[in-house]
Amino acid sequence: GQQLNQSPQSMFIQEGEDVSMNCTSSSIFNTWLWYKQEPGEGPVLLIALYKAGELTSNGRLTAQFGITRKDSFLNISASIPSDVGIYFCAGQWATDSWGKLQFGAGTQVVVTP
Amino acid sequence: SAVISQKPSRDICQRGTSLTIQCQVDSQVTMMFWYRQQPGQSLTLIATANQGSEATYESGFVIDKFPISRPNLTFSTLTVSNMSPEDSSIYLCSVEGDTYNEQFFGPGTRLTVL
Repeated sequence: GQQLNQSPQSMFIQEGEDVSMNCTSSSIFNTWLWYKQEPGEGPVLLIALYKAGELTSNGRLTAQFGITRKDSFLNISASIPSDVGIYFCAGQWATDSWGKLQFGAGTQVVVTP
Repeated sequence: SAVISQKPSRDICQRGTSLTIQCQVDSQVTMMFWYRQQPGQSLTLIATANQGSEATYESGFVIDKFPISRPNLTFSTLTVSNMSPEDSSIYLCSVEGDTYNEQFFGPGTRLTVL
């Protein structure tokens, strides 16, 4: 079956460091989305990517849609304590119907002062 | 993006009972979705709720266990029926955004079944 892998599972970093996480899919995605979830909250959409090769920034966040359409990465620059949370990649396989999102397992980010 | 609220925010229920979760949006949306997030896990789509038609369920989820209503373009309910401890999860509703495939999530309902 189709698989979506997200890594790393968790990251423990010091404030000010950069963070990088990625997702790879066994099949082509036509959309990549990155969400952040904090404890007790629903996921919040950070960045949406729609075209292969697309590179998009949102403040200190940068994400790219891989040219093979099977991978994406998210970078967080100069991390701060409020970056703590679980980051999920999500996307839609090209063969699936509209709105059916697949979610990665998540990357837990812990920032220490 | 739309403002989405869910009720209840959390509940503790007894085995064998049912709980209905409400999702309210502050604007009209065509597509609403229900997800389950088991403890420490990722999100799994339960079903897509369309106004005026029956919900479309994903593999592993059935209408008898998770009946869904969508009476209008701003509201939907998900019922978790005949609950067991394995149903303890966060249940989230989401709605489509203005751009293709974007979804925005409500705060979730945290359900514990004893």
